[in-house]
Amino acid sequence: RKEVEQDPGPFNVPEGATVAFNCTYSNSASQSFFWYRQDCRKEPKLLMSVYSSGNEDGRFTAQLNRASQYISLLIRDSKLSDSATYLCVVNTNSGYALNFGKGTSLLVTP
Amino acid sequence: SQTIHQWPATLVQPVGSPLSLECTVEGTSNPNLYWYRQAAGRGLQLLFYSVGIGQISSEVPQNLSASRPQDRQFILSSKKLLLSDSGFYLCAWSVLTGSSPLHFGNGTRLTVT
Repeated sequence: RKEVEQDPGPFNVPEGATVAFNCTYSNSASQSFFWYRQDCRKEPKLLMSVYSSGNEDGRFTAQLNRASQYISLLIRDSKLSDSATYLCVVNTNSGYALNFGKGTSLLVTP
Repeated sequence: SQTIHQWPATLVQPVGSPLSLECTVEGTSNPNLYWYRQAAGRGLQLLFYSVGIGQISSEVPQNLSASRPQDRQFILSSKKLLLSDSGFYLCAWSVLTGSSPLHFGNGTRLTVT
């Protein structure tokens, strides 16, 4: 089983729609979780950390479910500029670095 | 504020040639430093990480090496490039090992011909 798994998509949604991505992780001892955004041919950029109680940043909401070992990202009122690949990130078994999922591609259309 | 510089932005090298990619971080002391590679259509692969000067850990055995000659400088090298070394190389830094987010440089797109 891969350490971090994501549905690669693509998710094609119209502007204004709500879209959600899930990500599963294999190591139950993982403690740190993040969502990154990566635009085409650019470096990944931190979107938000994921806290145990769930957290929100504007149109973005992140949730953590430790029992089922998944994290989620909800995007409300999608904008064209939200089109990107969203990477799920979890700290590794060794604890020395973060493990990246392969990403979920989102395309928001007019 | 902290910034990370990585160069060059793009590089085309023939098979068998050497490689040197450099990364420097400003605005923070004793950062953890990382080299990742992203092959076309694939996820990010951790290559090396460093928690201090001269301390390098390799995650994947290959023909690449890394060095950290100064606190905020991280270098990725190869003596002889392979075609399979092509990819998007990303340097990153973090404050705490494994529990804080990574901050990436702009990346180097390497094409080995």
